[in-house]
Amino acid sequence: DSGVTQTPKHLITATGQRVTLRCSPRSGDLSVYWYQQSLDQGLQFLIQYYNGEERAKGNILERFSAQQFPDLHSELNLSSLELGDSALYFCASSSGTGGGNTEAFFGQGTRLTVV
Amino acid sequence: GDSVTQMEGPVTLSEEAFLTINCTYTATGYPSLFWYVQYPGEGLQLLLKATKADDKGSNKGFEATYRKETTSFHLEKGSVQVSDSAVYFCALSNSGYSTLTFGKGTMLLVSP
Repeated sequence: DSGVTQTPKHLITATGQRVTLRCSPRSGDLSVYWYQQSLDQGLQFLIQYYNGEERAKGNILERFSAQQFPDLHSELNLSSLELGDSALYFCASSSGTGGGNTEAFFGQGTRLTVV
Repeated sequence: GDSVTQMEGPVTLSEEAFLTINCTYTATGYPSLFWYVQYPGEGLQLLLKATKADDKGSNKGFEATYRKETTSFHLEKGSVQVSDSAVYFCALSNSGYSTLTFGKGTMLLVSP
């Protein structure tokens, strides 16, 4: 158990809809990262938050947004969903601002299926 | 931009065989290098890491050496077990914020 909790584990929704994925980081970790794992793109970094502020942005679509709340949990909002958004979405957390050799701990992921 | 290339799988081995999974990278500067493992139905777990050239990361019998001259970080294990069956991801971090660039993953299947 990594200590990172993601809910829900599975989500099935229709095209055009909006969903929210939730992540609780390890106790004491200030940084939260979101990654998308799909068959064609592999594992891609989406966005990072540190102590409530956006810190780094990767290949995140404009239809997607995230935030980190004062209690440090984070939510990833996906809207106007398309079939191609079907993927496994991982949350990870790390202590401090990170740094090149800081270990990131991953949750078990939320599997999103868009039908 | 940064990228990681690893050998495609699946890699199929018998128990106690020697394992090598190749990984090469392209990055500016001096990235840190990682191997993560994903067991079925689970998230990624850090297997080992190396933060500078010639460092050797090791854990659970797995090893990888950071080779800057060949921009490689190949994963090796002398004797694999059935329980090592998983997907292995090579990754690098080249930023101050620990964001990771992953390879596409290599599935390892070990049979008894």
